[in-house]
Amino acid sequence: EAGVVQSPRYKIIEKKQPVAFWCNPISGHNTLYWYRQNLGQGPELLIRYENEEAVDDSQLPKDRFSAERLKGVDSTLKIQPAELGDSAVYLCASSYNEQFFGPGTRLTVL
Amino acid sequence: GQNIDQPTEMTATEGAIVQINCTYQTSGFNGLFWYQQHAGEAPTFLSYNVLDGLEEKGRFSSFLSRSKGYSYLLLKELQMKDSASYLCAVRDENTDKLIFGTGTRLQVFP
Repeated sequence: EAGVVQSPRYKIIEKKQPVAFWCNPISGHNTLYWYRQNLGQGPELLIRYENEEAVDDSQLPKDRFSAERLKGVDSTLKIQPAELGDSAVYLCASSYNEQFFGPGTRLTVL
Repeated sequence: GQNIDQPTEMTATEGAIVQINCTYQTSGFNGLFWYQQHAGEAPTFLSYNVLDGLEEKGRFSSFLSRSKGYSYLLLKELQMKDSASYLCAVRDENTDKLIFGTGTRLQVFP
């Protein structure tokens, strides 16, 4: 069974540029999460979806971050414009009970 | 409020036993998770405790005391490949959100 798939794995952009990350969860997992993980820290939740509905986006910086999960399967997370402080690993996870994480996208903003 | 504490770093010798402690304070508790994360990789699920006591799974065991807000992960017969960060995470009963600690970086030496 395929795990959580994310792309791209790495992204380097200049500040003020837009960037988007894509996630395909494990089949049958209705709950999808986007986390941000800074170096030496644990993951911090940005947004959680139940099917296509965002049920917790309290930690998402809505001035520059947006996310969508059309049709309740794949999801995209966008940053526009990116800032230097956005450099981090962006992890997608899906769950039925315990959460399974994707490999993450390592974003570097120059 | 929510607070999760675990040691930043630990070292151990191959073949030995190591215990990684985690203490937590949350407004509502609905389970504690341990994840393993190798450098540059996604967290992988190790264990889940929701009731007090010890859960054993091969070389890894996890213990929970809800009254003390305390858990530990016990790793036996350490192998070099066990060198990784170990993340303690608590699920908040009210929000169903996973709150992660900063992780304990374990280095196993020959």
